[in-house]
Amino acid sequence: GENVEQHPSTLSVQEGDSAVIKCTYSDSASNYFPWYKQELGKRPQLIIDIRSNVGEKKDQRIAVTLNKTAKHFSLHITETQPEDSAVYFCAASKNFGNEKLTFGTGTRLTIIP
Amino acid sequence: NAGVTQTPKFQVLKTGQSMTLQCAQDMNHEYMSWYRQDPGMGLRLIHYSVGAGITDQGEVPNGYNVSRSTTEDFPLRLLSAAPSQTSVYFCASSPTGTGLPLHFGNGTRLTVT
Repeated sequence: GENVEQHPSTLSVQEGDSAVIKCTYSDSASNYFPWYKQELGKRPQLIIDIRSNVGEKKDQRIAVTLNKTAKHFSLHITETQPEDSAVYFCAASKNFGNEKLTFGTGTRLTIIP
Repeated sequence: NAGVTQTPKFQVLKTGQSMTLQCAQDMNHEYMSWYRQDPGMGLRLIHYSVGAGITDQGEVPNGYNVSRSTTEDFPLRLLSAAPSQTSVYFCASSPTGTGLPLHFGNGTRLTVT
């Protein structure tokens, strides 16, 4: 089955700086790569996703890049704010959907005011 | 819409006891799934269903059963609870198709003593 590795497990950045979280996947047939944010004590929520036919996608301060050859994808958050503090999960699946979505182990991001 | 409703929120079981975690969604989603969340291990897929009458195993199915008799409900049964099943359990649903978010419930925190 699919295996998704995520690094780093914890990340602290100064408010206003950028944060980058990286994931690698094992199954070259995977074609859908969402990112979920989980605030303390709450449920995970989708923040951005990318499909395998796209190399980069942006949504305001958040961007995701995908390198299919190397089988890795990254989340970039610019101009970080205190409300960005949360656990972020990358994930991968086939069929461009949520069926059998495999998650990484998560990155705890802390924004230092 | 209530979204995805999980009950109970908290549960303590003794080793060997059985119980059912309930999950219901009112969004007419075809896809439903159960994940467990453990520290440092991310979200791991237990079982999933692509529609009423259809279920399949995920990454960690041992010790759990599911059924999908209706579109709305997807209960998770623990047959004989073990301390290794102490975890936070999330039910999640989505429509089939690409780029559509998984809607998570609020989770059930289960402790097995």
